[in-house]
Amino acid sequence: KNEVEQSPQNLTAQEGEFITINCSYSVGISALHWLQQHPGGGIVSLFMLSSGKKKHGRLIATINIQEKHSSLHITASHPRDSAVYICAVSRGGAQKLVFGQGTRLTINP
Amino acid sequence: DAGITQSPRHKVTETGTPVTLRCHQTENHRYMYWYRQDPGHGLRLIHYSYGVKDTDKGEVSDGYSVSRSKTEDFLLTLESATSSQTSVYFCANGEDRSEAFFGQGTRLTVV
Repeated sequence: KNEVEQSPQNLTAQEGEFITINCSYSVGISALHWLQQHPGGGIVSLFMLSSGKKKHGRLIATINIQEKHSSLHITASHPRDSAVYICAVSRGGAQKLVFGQGTRLTINP
Repeated sequence: DAGITQSPRHKVTETGTPVTLRCHQTENHRYMYWYRQDPGHGLRLIHYSYGVKDTDKGEVSDGYSVSRSKTEDFLLTLESATSSQTSVYFCANGEDRSEAFFGQGTRLTVV
């Protein structure tokens, strides 16, 4: 079993829908990261959080440390949100990341 | 992108040849990392560095070596490339309790 599990693996939705991507982890962490990767592109950090909730534009990330679970929400989704979203956790020193498998999101116009 | 440049961006090489990938940062971030990304495996840590001349192995370090002689440069070397090392390689950097910043990736094909 992977240390970081994401669901769903693939998600297709219509423009404007509310999107939720889930991430569960099985180890103690110092922080959880949400990353975005467009096809053929680099990886961009969206959020790093160790408690509570963060919001940036239409993106919201939450984490429940007790339940070892995090969610990434996208409000009013748009085709440009189509990408792979990756959950990763860092543990202790050196901020080494352990990654989930990613969620491929497709938003149709 | 926090000033990370990877070179080359694409490379095709033959089995058995040595290959070096370069990661250059314009900041003085303490930590630098090399990851590989493969279908079905996601991203996995190869090696990382926590300072000049200070490096350590990651999850998939066999067949790879690294060097960091300057704060700004982190080199990944495949001593004798194999087809199983065909992958997309990402460099990243960061500090304690900071988000990670990634380069654009290097697509390596070993034929």
